This record gives sequence, structure tokens and C-alpha cells, in this order.
Amino acid sequence: QVQLVQSGAEVKKAGASVKVSCKAGGYDFTSDDIHWVRQATGQGLEWMGWMNPNSGNTGYAQKFEDRVTMTRNTSLSTAYMELSSLRSEDSAMYYCTRGASSLCGGDCDPPFDFWGQGTLVTVSS
Amino acid sequence: QSILTQPPSASGTPGQRVTISCSGRRSNIEKNFVYWYQQFPGTAPRLLIYRNDQRPSGVPDRFSGSKSGTSASLAISGLRSEDEADYYCGAWDDSKSGPQWVFGGGTKLTVL
Repeated sequence: QVQLVQSGAEVKKAGASVKVSCKAGGYDFTSDDIHWVRQATGQGLEWMGWMNPNSGNTGYAQKFEDRVTMTRNTSLSTAYMELSSLRSEDSAMYYCTRGASSLCGGDCDPPFDFWGQGTLVTVSS
Repeated sequence: QSILTQPPSASGTPGQRVTISCSGRRSNIEKNFVYWYQQFPGTAPRLLIYRNDQRPSGVPDRFSGSKSGTSASLAISGLRSEDEADYYCGAWDDSKSGPQWVFGGGTKLTVL
């Protein structure tokens, strides 16, 4: 069964960086893009960007493109999201999620069918 | 502030049919497909509807989606207590300010 397992909660000081991992299992890690979505407490979903695990290609939301880096280690089937220059408003639950290409057949934007359990990042000043 | 607009709350009694709206623009909803996610407190979102009106396997046919122009809707028929959750619409946005996935602010559904 498909699983995305994320690293544990983090507490960081403002100005520091955080790196969250997302280990994939139960499918070919290189077959589908991995996206990162965050959610502040009591708030909505916010998309941060995507990474193609096969090529390493990435695409970031304009809001984050100068602070976020998405990478992967294919031998570990693990994706990473690093966010730098943290500020208090970055405190949120961070999710990795799979873009399900099998649901689209190439003619739609692959939806997010499996999600990690979330990693809570708390930024203190 | 979310790019897509949803009502913050909705409610219904068991057995009723409720609809949740999602309003956007040409660059997102009109040009691209709409997706819906269900989220229970303390858990990750779950894909409910993709490509405007398609259900992944395992999603009951009580859930249905539609789209017209720059708006979309999620309908839940035969409302059940276990449907009480937050619902989010999403779409790809081709905006010149930077292509990205965008979401609504979420609708909290209460089953009375």
C-alpha cells in the first residue's frame, strides 16, 4: 500500500532553516511528482511547490521560491523540503503529497491522492 | 487570503443534500480542472473529487462535483454524521504572477 512517512516535529528559532523528509513506500518513488503543502493552525491549505523524483526538476510557488529547496534521494525513496530564513508565520503543519499521474492519463493536473501524516514546524522568536 | 472563495461554513441534517460552492477566475477554475479534498481534525486531507466530477475508488457516490465557468460545487447527498469535516476546493492557476496550485479557504460542514 502507498505510504508517505514524514519526519518528526521541529522547533526552530526565527532566521534558522528546517529540513523535512518524506519517505515513500509501496510504489515506484520515481513515477509521480511529490508536492509540499502547508497548513497553519486553523487555516487553509497552501501549496509550496513540486519535485519530480526522477529528474530532480522542481517548481516553486512564487511566494517561496527564494527560501525553499526541494530535493530527493532516490536510493532512499525520500523527498526533502528545506525552508530557510524562518519567521513566526512559517509555523504550520507541513505535508508531502503525491501527484497521482495515474488518475489523469496526461490530460489533467495530477491530484494529490496520498498524503504524509504531516510535520509540525514551530518557529519561535 | 485564499485565491478561491468558499463559504466558511455549511450545515445540514442527516439525509439532506448540501452543496458547497467554490468561486475562482478564468486563470484557475475556468481554464483548469477542479479538485475537492475532505479533512478531519488532526488528519491529512483526503482526495474526494478530481477532474471536476470524478471520484477516486473508495469515495461513495453520495459525493459529486460540478463546474460551470469560474465556479464549482461539491454536493453531498444523503448526509451522514461522518461527513462532518472541512472541505477544500483546489485548482491549478495559470496566473502570470506565477503558475501554482491554489485552494479555497475551506468550508466547515456541520451535521446537525
